[in-house]
Amino acid sequence: TQLLEQSPQFLSIQEGENLTVYCNSSSVFSSLQWYRQEPGEGPVLLVTVVTGGEVKKLKRLTFQFGDARKDSSLHITAAQPGDTGLYLCAVVAGGTSYGKLTFGQGTILTVHP
Amino acid sequence: NAGVTQTPKFRILKIGQSMTLQCAQDMNHNYMYWYRQDPGMGLKLIYYSVGAGITDKGEVPNGYNVSRSTTEDFPLRLELAAPSQTSVYFCASTSTGTGIQPQHFGDGTRLSIL
Repeated sequence: TQLLEQSPQFLSIQEGENLTVYCNSSSVFSSLQWYRQEPGEGPVLLVTVVTGGEVKKLKRLTFQFGDARKDSSLHITAAQPGDTGLYLCAVVAGGTSYGKLTFGQGTILTVHP
Repeated sequence: NAGVTQTPKFRILKIGQSMTLQCAQDMNHNYMYWYRQDPGMGLKLIYYSVGAGITDKGEVPNGYNVSRSTTEDFPLRLELAAPSQTSVYFCASTSTGTGIQPQHFGDGTRLSIL
């Protein structure tokens, strides 16, 4: 059983469409991070959410942390081809974790022109 | 503006060979990590370090070893390479262990074991 379940695993949409990616768990976390990874590169941090119910916006991307701090969502408005990539949620699990991240399986997003 | 630098970018090994993947960061971060990423999957932690001279196992440490003699460098050693170690390896660093600061990743080493 995965600590973090991401859905959907694959998403193929047309430019201009909206989409939502989900990251779910049965565990409670003190914070959750979203990363984006482009082919041939390492992941790059998009956002960190720390408060239950928190909503953060990054241009056309909206991130929400669930009230119970067990889940999160990423919503993209009017997707563009430049949004194509692998989206990963990640958490530091456990007590003294030394920043060790556990990642979800990722969502591969393809935005067609 | 180097950040985290990984070498080599690509490598093909034969079964049973050994090699060292290099990782260096210039941000003076105490925390460093090695992850592996299999196709279409998230990243799994191999080893981590909280400072020079201190290392510990992650989720998938078997077949690997690390050392941390300086703050900057965190090499990953593969002994007796096996096909199951074919993967993309990422090194990362961060300033604190809270999970709030970003982890900075290198561009990865793509390793094939044949």
